[in-house]
Amino acid sequence: GAVVSQHPSWVICKSGTSVKIECRSLDFQATTMFWYRQFPKQSLMLMATSNEGSKATYEQGVEKDKFLINHASLTLSTLTVTSAHPEDSSFYICSARDMTNYGYTFGSGTRLTVV
Amino acid sequence: SQELEQSPQSLIVQEGKNLTINCTSSKTLYGLYWYKQKYGEGLIFLMMLQKGGEEKSHEKITAKLDEKKQQSSLHITASQPSHAGIYLCGAALNNNDMRFGAGTRLTVKP
Repeated sequence: GAVVSQHPSWVICKSGTSVKIECRSLDFQATTMFWYRQFPKQSLMLMATSNEGSKATYEQGVEKDKFLINHASLTLSTLTVTSAHPEDSSFYICSARDMTNYGYTFGSGTRLTVV
Repeated sequence: SQELEQSPQSLIVQEGKNLTINCTSSKTLYGLYWYKQKYGEGLIFLMMLQKGGEEKSHEKITAKLDEKKQQSSLHITASQPSHAGIYLCGAALNNNDMRFGAGTRLTVKP
């Protein structure tokens, strides 16, 4: 079946630094990839939608300059948390939509801790 | 705000009991997905429903989508401790980006 590889699975960084999270579809091409954030005891909240070769569409309240998304190919999207602060600590998870069957496949998530 | 209303938010049941989780939208759903998750871990795909009136079952879990494609239910029969976790309904409300309900935290007491 379709597999999405997301890494790192966890990362600890210092305040003010930037962190890059990768989301890669291993055996299919993804027209669209999605980035979600999940705080403890809450659901997944969509942050942004990215289409290969174009700018990401951000949800209301999500700072595009802080959460940089690059979708350079049909199999790779990256999320960079710039100038991270402790309040950015969360669980980030990506999803890729298969361009052949339009199914959604989720990565295993990245736990970010900013200290 | 959640575009999908999911209820209940939490559920505690005795092992062996049946339970139902509901997911409702004010918009027609192009596809309704059910996932299970433990916080901090990835999503486990359970079922996807697309057609009005559709019903799918896997082991002790049954999911239904109503005729109007605005409401879905997830039913677990004879619950077991292994069923514990967070259940999420998701839907592509505009036929592209998937959004989720608030989730239902299920605890099954042995």
